[in-house]
Amino acid sequence: DIQVTQSPPSLSASVGDRVTITCRTSQSISTYLNWYQQRPRTAPKLLIYGASNLQSGVPSRFSGSGSGTEFTLTINSLQPEDFATYYCQQSHSSPRTFGQGTKVEIK
Amino acid sequence: EVYLVESGGGLVQPGGSLRLSCGGSGFIFSNAWMNWVRQAPGKGLEWVGHIKSQNDGRTTDYNAPVKGRFSISRDDSKTTLYLQMNDLKSDDTAVYYCTTSVTGPPRRFDYWGQGTLVTVSS
Repeated sequence: DIQVTQSPPSLSASVGDRVTITCRTSQSISTYLNWYQQRPRTAPKLLIYGASNLQSGVPSRFSGSGSGTEFTLTINSLQPEDFATYYCQQSHSSPRTFGQGTKVEIK
Repeated sequence: EVYLVESGGGLVQPGGSLRLSCGGSGFIFSNAWMNWVRQAPGKGLEWVGHIKSQNDGRTTDYNAPVKGRFSISRDDSKTTLYLQMNDLKSDDTAVYYCTTSVTGPPRRFDYWGQGTLVTVSS
């Protein structure tokens, strides 16, 4: 199985800050990496697919980059509605493993 | 509009069985690979398994913790996905989501249901 390691587990930031979350995989997955946002008590929402493609309807302050084994989700100018937990997920092979999550909290 | 609605969750004793359902609408259900993802209380997301579309053979695949105990099936005529869970353990306590890809290839999950809670406890 491909292991997915996400960091940091949590971070504190202020509205307007730039935030970066990293995801590393145990083997190369090309760009088969997705990012999700989950607000409390709601289902996850797809933000980025294929490492860098913005899902329709997602604000452009979200961006993704990377390939191989290292990936990054960046949120530019953090907004109040962005305080949530973020997960990466590899879609290269089965099982479709998720990272452990990064909780973005208000500083 | 796309909808996925799970049902069937509840309280079950260890060793018991439960069947979850997920009704889909607003997309061509028979063409979609359908997945189950779960989330234990206060924990992260865990992929449970999937069933491919009819065109792709309706084959199934499961994550190791549920292999041999859980079974995924689908009834395309009813646009419904199922998760049969047997020999349930306390570690199976979680919110179970069905999810699929409607806007692109099946490698991403762009639509999710609201989830149904399964509690395994005596």
